Amino acid sequence: QSALTQPASVSGSPGQSITISCTGTSSDVGTYNLVSWYQQHPGKAPKLMIYEVSKRPSGVSNRFSGSKSDYTASLTISGLQAEDEADYYCCSYAGSATLVFGGGTKLTVL
Amino acid sequence: EVQLVESGGGLVQPGGSLRLSCAASGFTFSSYWMHWVRQVPGKGLVWVSRIKRDGGWESYADSVKGRFTISRDNAKNTLYLQMNSLRAEDTAVYYCARELNVIVGTNTDAFDIWGQGTVVTVSS
Repeated sequence: QSALTQPASVSGSPGQSITISCTGTSSDVGTYNLVSWYQQHPGKAPKLMIYEVSKRPSGVSNRFSGSKSDYTASLTISGLQAEDEADYYCCSYAGSATLVFGGGTKLTVL
Repeated sequence: EVQLVESGGGLVQPGGSLRLSCAASGFTFSSYWMHWVRQVPGKGLVWVSRIKRDGGWESYADSVKGRFTISRDNAKNTLYLQMNSLRAEDTAVYYCARELNVIVGTNTDAFDIWGQGTVVTVSS
């Protein structure tokens, strides 16, 4: 149950697009389409942004999208806004009914 | 309003025990898988445990297996986490989370509702 690998930080200017990667192994991301993404503002509980690799829950902006290729899942945020500045975490099913999160990525909107 | 409210956190000595509770409201609790996730302040999220709708099946992260027990009381709309043999590395904010339910009988392994968290500190 090793954590998925995410970049520690990414940044972008308002209006730009950014992509956060989430790299796993054949035991998790590479085998299962059960990757989810969460946004967490300081002092707040996480919020679900993407589930099952690319599906958006109702109420989540279509500026957020997800994809997966081989062992790497990605979260793309288009049209960056100031309120997107937060920590982002990926999570994947890892077999044997367990789940594993990524280490988190701090998004800075310049 | 759909809501999860955790309680039971606090300061406990190494080797001690603590039971966390998570009160659910605003939805049919018995229809959802439930999970516990923890987070050391300033660090990342870590999945801890999950339990089936009827409480008849559960799973754990290796780091807590044999020490923590998840359970639920659907009549009381409450989720529990019994934590025994606590260690300093168990110090964290503990969140309960509801698993997104899209198709009955299948798991999304995604969490659509989270509580506000309860703080557990293991220290002498």
